[in-house]
Amino acid sequence: NAGVMQNPRHLVRRRGQEARLRCSPMKGHSHVYWYRQLPEEGLKFMVYLQKENIIDESGMPKERFSAEFPKEGPSILRIQQVVRGDSAAYFCASSRGQGRDGYTFGSGTRLTVV
Amino acid sequence: GESVGLHLPTLSVQEGDNSIINCAYSNSASDYFIWYKQESGKGPQFIIDIRSNMDKRQGQRVTVLLNKTVKHLSLQIAATQPGDSAVYFCAEGGYSSASKIIFGSGTRLSIRP
Repeated sequence: NAGVMQNPRHLVRRRGQEARLRCSPMKGHSHVYWYRQLPEEGLKFMVYLQKENIIDESGMPKERFSAEFPKEGPSILRIQQVVRGDSAAYFCASSRGQGRDGYTFGSGTRLTVV
Repeated sequence: GESVGLHLPTLSVQEGDNSIINCAYSNSASDYFIWYKQESGKGPQFIIDIRSNMDKRQGQRVTVLLNKTVKHLSLQIAATQPGDSAVYFCAEGGYSSASKIIFGSGTRLSIRP
C-alpha cells in the first residue's frame, strides 16, 4: 500500500517559468491538502481539494497559484511565473475525509527558483 | 490566522532522559490536536493525537497532555533516543469533518550522547 506520492522531489525553475507539482494520494483517499514550508518554519496550509472540487483555498495566494484534483490522475499544484520567494518545500497530504483517519503526508517537492 | 504556537524553538536533551515539548494554542474552540515529527528532508509523520474531551493520551514512549484551562499542550518522550532527533510540530484541527490542519512553528529536538 503505497503512501502519498509526490513528484518531482526536487524542482529547479528560473524566474518567470512555471512549476507543476504532482501529488498522488493514498489508495482510497479522496481528500488532498497542500502545504508550503519555508526553511526553519512550520507548514502553512494552502488548499484543500476533493475530487474535482476545491473545498478551501484560503491559504493560497490569489495570483499565480492554482490547484486541481481531477477525476482521474494526481492532484496538481501549479505556480505560474515563479519568483524567488516561491522557493520552499511543498507538501501534500491525503485522507479519507473521516475525522483524522489516515491524514498522511508525502515526502514533499523542494522547489528552488533561480 | 494561526492559533497554535510553541514555547521553545530548540531543545537539547541527554540521551536516555525524558523530553518535554510544549505548545500553546489560542483558539478555545479547538477540539483536536496532533503532534507530528519531521526529520530532515521528509514529510511530517504522525506521532499521537488527542481530542479536547481528554486530558492525557499515551502511545509507545510518548504521552500527550492537554490542559484546556491554560490552552496548553505538551508532548513527552520517554527515554529519548538518537532517532528522536527531529523537528516536532503541534497542530490543531477539527475532528468532526475533513478540514485543514494548522501547524505551529516547530521545536527542534537534539540529542546529546
